[in-house]
Amino acid sequence: QSALTQPPSASGSPGQSVTISCTGTSSDVGGYHFVSWYQQHPGKAPKLIIYDVTQRPSGVPDRFSGSKSGNTASLTVSGLQADDEADYYCSSYAGSDKSVFGGGTKLTVL
Amino acid sequence: EVHVVESGGGLVQPGRSLRLSCEASGFTFEEYAMHWVRQAPGKGLEWVSGISWNSGSIGYADSVKGRFTISRDSAKKSLYLEMNSLRAEDTALYYCARGGDVWLRAHFDYWGQGTLVTVSS
Repeated sequence: QSALTQPPSASGSPGQSVTISCTGTSSDVGGYHFVSWYQQHPGKAPKLIIYDVTQRPSGVPDRFSGSKSGNTASLTVSGLQADDEADYYCSSYAGSDKSVFGGGTKLTVL
Repeated sequence: EVHVVESGGGLVQPGRSLRLSCEASGFTFEEYAMHWVRQAPGKGLEWVSGISWNSGSIGYADSVKGRFTISRDSAKKSLYLEMNSLRAEDTALYYCARGGDVWLRAHFDYWGQGTLVTVSS
């Protein structure tokens, strides 16, 4: 049960797009359609922004999108805004009633 | 409106026990799986344990298996985490989170604000 691999940091200027990767194995990311992404601002609880690889909960802007190819899932944030600056975590079902998170990516809006 | 509120955290000595609680409101508790997720100070999220709608499926992270026990009480709309043999590395903010459906495979769609557990002598 190893953590999923995310880049520690990512950055982009306002209006630009940035993509954050999340790499696992065939036992988690590659084996299930249950990949989700969370946004966490400092001192706040995480917020679900993508589930089931590509789905957005109600109220989440369509600037946030998700995808998956093989053992790697990706989160793309388009039209970067200042409020997008936060930590982002991926998560995947890992079988046997277990889940696993990525190490997190700190997104900086330049 | 969906709410989950954690309680029970505090300062505890290594080797001792602590019981966390999570009270749910605003949704039909027995129709969703529930989870505990923790975050050590300055660190990332770690899934700790989950329990299905009917307690028929339960999962634990390897780091807590054999020491922590998750349970739920539908009548009280509450989730619990019994933590035994606590270690310094269990120090974290513990979040209660609702699962996306009845089973443990889905995402975590609503989170509480967390309860802080500090393990130190």
